[in-house]
Amino acid sequence: EAGVAQSPRYKIIEKRQSVAFWCNPISGHATLYWYQQILGQGPKLLIQFQNNGVVDDSQLPKDRFSAERLKGVDSTLKIQPAKLEDSAVYLCASSSGLAEQETQYFGPGTRLLVL
Amino acid sequence: GENVEQHPSTLSVQEGDSAVIKCTYSDSASNYFPWYKQELGKGPQLIIDIRSNVGEKKDQRIAVTLNKTAKHFSLHITETQPEDSAVYFCAASKTNVGNEKLTFGTGTRLTIIP
Repeated sequence: EAGVAQSPRYKIIEKRQSVAFWCNPISGHATLYWYQQILGQGPKLLIQFQNNGVVDDSQLPKDRFSAERLKGVDSTLKIQPAKLEDSAVYLCASSSGLAEQETQYFGPGTRLLVL
Repeated sequence: GENVEQHPSTLSVQEGDSAVIKCTYSDSASNYFPWYKQELGKGPQLIIDIRSNVGEKKDQRIAVTLNKTAKHFSLHITETQPEDSAVYFCAASKTNVGNEKLTFGTGTRLTIIP
């Protein structure tokens, strides 16, 4: 079974530029998550999708971050404009969305450095 | 919302010894507690999880215990090996279908000394 795929793996941009990350979840997984992991901290949920609907985006800075999940499969996370404090690893995870199958499987992450 | 605290932040043990990492959570409604291992440059990988209707779970050298009354759970690794060196995260969530938001602890950097 293929895992969660993310691209790019690394990105360096200057502040005020825009950037986009892509995630392809495990096939058949209904729930998709984007996390932000700042160096030395645990992952923090940014947004959760169930199929193509948003379940929780309470921690997403909506003035600069946006996310979509096209057709309930792939997802993109965008930052526009980026700030220095956005430097972090952006992790995508997916789960089946079924009862008693809560396990979230994480991708390798995209490491963003904002200069 | 949920708050998860994790201790210690760093832990060094001799190869072959045991390692214990402890977490506490604040929301008594949380009922699912996974542990993740994160190696350098990789995403977190689930190593073991426990649900609130179970007090202990074991998988080879790894075990997790849960005390619902005290709202804390612990990861135990026995007979540690160099490949156990990584950052370990605990997490907690309330598992209603479609609402499995995980709140993570701050991580423990485990170093196994050969």
